[in-house]
Amino acid sequence: GESVGLHLPTLSVQEGDNSIINCAYSNSASDYFIWYKQESGKGPQFIIDIRSNMDKRQGQRVTVLLNKTVKHLSLQIAATQPGDSAVYFCAPTDTGRRALTFGSGTRLQVQP
Amino acid sequence: NAGVTQTPKFRVLKTGQSMTLLCAQDMNHEYMYWYRQDPGMGLRLIHYSVGEGTTAKGEVPDGYNVSRLKKQNFLLGLESAAPSQTSVYFCASSYSSSNEAFFGQGTRLTVV
Repeated sequence: GESVGLHLPTLSVQEGDNSIINCAYSNSASDYFIWYKQESGKGPQFIIDIRSNMDKRQGQRVTVLLNKTVKHLSLQIAATQPGDSAVYFCAPTDTGRRALTFGSGTRLQVQP
Repeated sequence: NAGVTQTPKFRVLKTGQSMTLLCAQDMNHEYMYWYRQDPGMGLRLIHYSVGEGTTAKGEVPDGYNVSRLKKQNFLLGLESAAPSQTSVYFCASSYSSSNEAFFGQGTRLTVV
């Protein structure tokens, strides 16, 4: 599965800078990808998703890029704010896979 | 519309005791999931269900059992708790594996 139970890497950025969080996946059949944000003491919340027929999708201050050739996706956060401090998880899945599993997350720390 | 509700929010068990965690969703979702999250780590799938009356094992099912007797409820049972099961447990639900999942607020379980 994609979830590997590793200790979370940390990305530290200055407030106002752009953040890029990366996720590598291994299942070439993955055709749907979701990014979740988990704030301290809370459950994960949906941020943005992308399907495999797209290579880019934009939301409010967030952009997800998908590179199926190298099995990599990234989450870009523009003008990072203190409220963006959280752990971010990617969740690759496919229609033939019945369970939702998570990639190893990244902790984003925003420095004032 | 409460979304996904987990009970209890906190629990302390002695080694060998049993307990059941309850997850309830009011969104008419077919899929439900139980995850555990250890400090500083990602989410690992314990068991999941793709519909009423069905259950399946996830990545770390040992020591846990589940039941989905009603579509809106997904129960996680620990028959004989062990200190290694100290963790935060999250329940989630979704329409399918290709839709975003909605998470509960978590249950913090300590086994002493």
